[in-house]
Amino acid sequence: AQKITQTQPGMFVQEKEAVTLDCTYDTSDPSYGLFWYKQPSSGEMIFLIYQGSYDQQNATEGRYSLNFQKARKSANLVISASQLGDSAMYFCAMSPGAGSYQLTFGKGTKLSVIP
Amino acid sequence: EAGVTQSPTHLIKTRGQQATLRCSPISGHTSVYWYQQALGLGLQFLLWYDEGEERNRGNFPPRFSGRQFPNYSSELNVNALELEDSALYLCASSLGRTGTVGELFFGEGSRLTVL
Repeated sequence: AQKITQTQPGMFVQEKEAVTLDCTYDTSDPSYGLFWYKQPSSGEMIFLIYQGSYDQQNATEGRYSLNFQKARKSANLVISASQLGDSAMYFCAMSPGAGSYQLTFGKGTKLSVIP
Repeated sequence: EAGVTQSPTHLIKTRGQQATLRCSPISGHTSVYWYQQALGLGLQFLLWYDEGEERNRGNFPPRFSGRQFPNYSSELNVNALELEDSALYLCASSLGRTGTVGELFFGEGSRLTVL
C-alpha cells in the first residue's frame, strides 16, 4: 500500500520569499509517480509538478521545483518568489506508476502568503 | 476548450436518501476518476472508469457506485446516505491509461451535505 505524509498543516511565508512544503512517502513499488496539486478555495485541484521514480533530475515548472530524495523517500515542493495568489491548500500525491491516476493523497498543507 | 464539469455544485440530502453526482470529462478523455474529500481527511480514491468499464474502486462500501456512459461522462451514486458522506466529491479525467504524465484534470467538485 502507498502512503503520503504531509506534516505541516499550515505554513506562512512572506511575499517574494521562497517556501518549502514537506512530503514523505512510503511504497514497495519500484515504479511510481509523485505529484503536487494546488487547491484554491474554489475547490478545483490544479496540477503543479510531477516526478517519476526513475527520473534522474529534480522536476521544475516555472516557480515550482520538486526536491526529490529517493533514499529518504521525500518529495518536497519548493515555491520560489511567493505571490499572494499562491495562498491555497497544497497536496502531495502518489500514483502506482504508469497506466493509472489512482492517486494516494496526503492531508495537505495550507499555505498563507503574507503581504 | 471546456474543462471537467461537475453537477450539481451543491447538494443537500437527509440520511437514508440517495444522491447522484454527474461528471463530464474533457473532450477526448476516456478515463474518469472519482475522489472524496471529507473535512480533514484529504482526498480518497473512490472509483476509476475507463472506456465504459469500472477498472478499480477504493475502500468504500458498495452503496457507493457509479457508471460511465458511452460519451465517457460519468455518474456517482451514493445510496442510504450517512452523515459521514458529507464531503466534496471531485471528478477528474485523463486520456486513459496511455495519457502522458500530468494530464489528470479535476473539476471543481460537488459538495454533498447530509443532514
